[in-house]
Amino acid sequence: NAGVTQTPKFRILKIGQSMTLQCTQDMNHNYMYWYRQDPGMGLKLIYYSVGAGITDKGEVPNGYNVSRSTTEDFPLRLELAAPSQTSVYFCASRSGEPGEGYTFGSGTRLTVV
Amino acid sequence: GEDVEQSLFLSVREGDSSVINCTYTDSSSTYLYWYKQEPGAGLQLLTYIFSNMDMKQDQRLTVLLNKKDKHLSLRIADTQTGDSAIYFCAESIKFSGGYNKLIFGAGTRLAVHP
Repeated sequence: NAGVTQTPKFRILKIGQSMTLQCTQDMNHNYMYWYRQDPGMGLKLIYYSVGAGITDKGEVPNGYNVSRSTTEDFPLRLELAAPSQTSVYFCASRSGEPGEGYTFGSGTRLTVV
Repeated sequence: GEDVEQSLFLSVREGDSSVINCTYTDSSSTYLYWYKQEPGAGLQLLTYIFSNMDMKQDQRLTVLLNKKDKHLSLRIADTQTGDSAIYFCAESIKFSGGYNKLIFGAGTRLAVHP
């Protein structure tokens, strides 16, 4: 099983550019999440989805957008990249069973210059 | 409030036990988790404990939960160089809409030396 797959692994953007971080899972999980990880700060929730067609904001949604047209895919869109968005981005999913932890992708390291 | 705190660094000698500590604030947490992150990789679930338990053992890992003090610890017995990584504590809480989310600590970097 591939689990949670994120692309690209690395990207450098110029200020004001836009891009989409891709995330796909093959476990038929309903719940999917986007986190960003900043040094010494732990992970902060950007957006989450509880199923196809349903998304909602997390703790730090400003500057980002998401969509969930299928169960498998949960892309994260940056419209106008800013240096504050330099971070490592992790996508995660879970089925919803009690006690089940999240399955994480390997991350996308984004630098905005 | 939602907050999970961990010490940032721990250094141990190979073969010794490691104890990583965590405190959390939300008394309604149902599950608490420990994740491991190796360099350049995502987070890997190590173990979890339900809030009505006070201890869980899984091979070299022992999780202790003191719900009164909101304190969680992870003990790694016979620590090996392959255990060098960042360890994250996380609590599962309900938020608006009734859905669960994980709140993560900042992570404890474990360094294992000969």
